[in-house]
Amino acid sequence: EAQVTQNPRYLITVTGKKLTVTCSQNMNHEYMSWYRQDPGLGLRQIYYSMNVEVTDKGDVPEGYKVSRKEKRNFPLILESPSPNQTSLYFCASTGARTGELFFGEGSRLTVL
Amino acid sequence: GENVEQHPSTLSVQEGDSAVIKCTYSDSASNYFPWYKQELGKRPQLIIDIRSNVGEKKDQRIAVTLNKTAKHFSLHITETQPEDSAVYFCAAGGNAGNMLTFGGGTRLMVKP
Repeated sequence: EAQVTQNPRYLITVTGKKLTVTCSQNMNHEYMSWYRQDPGLGLRQIYYSMNVEVTDKGDVPEGYKVSRKEKRNFPLILESPSPNQTSLYFCASTGARTGELFFGEGSRLTVL
Repeated sequence: GENVEQHPSTLSVQEGDSAVIKCTYSDSASNYFPWYKQELGKRPQLIIDIRSNVGEKKDQRIAVTLNKTAKHFSLHITETQPEDSAVYFCAAGGNAGNMLTFGGGTRLMVKP
């Protein structure tokens, strides 16, 4: 089954404690990205990757890091989380020539 | 960069009525305009998209229209049903899903 898998789905953490949200896709997609969803603000892109070892900033990259060492994985790293990073996070992937974004199930992060 | 505005933010209709959601975009280079539906607690999923070489596209009860001159596009849902209740996002960008900017979302409520 074609899918994008994120973990963890829910996480409560404290300010400054490093965390990683993993994302994996099994569709051999070149392109992967991370979004955060906040009420009234839609889906805002954090980082994206066009292929292995190729990453770039989206609209709201501050406080986040990513890496793309393998085609299927695109983890999101919060080195020192702060309360304003409390949000719902989505990973997504798409093929190089298609338009449809396939989203993961989302990771709800709360930073106290 | 691209800026996408979406209206209204909430929309309530009676079952069987039509619903229209409108979006405007700023970058005349954008040529791909998808719409995503997000049911409560679920991931966004593509419901319809349109590219700049067409003005209208239909898929059963949903249709999208595009006016490139005015830089706006709209989603039309006819004969609404309770299962149409969800948050709808418009987006604009390049040919593929990798360069999309999303609108702020519209919460559609269909009353039985």
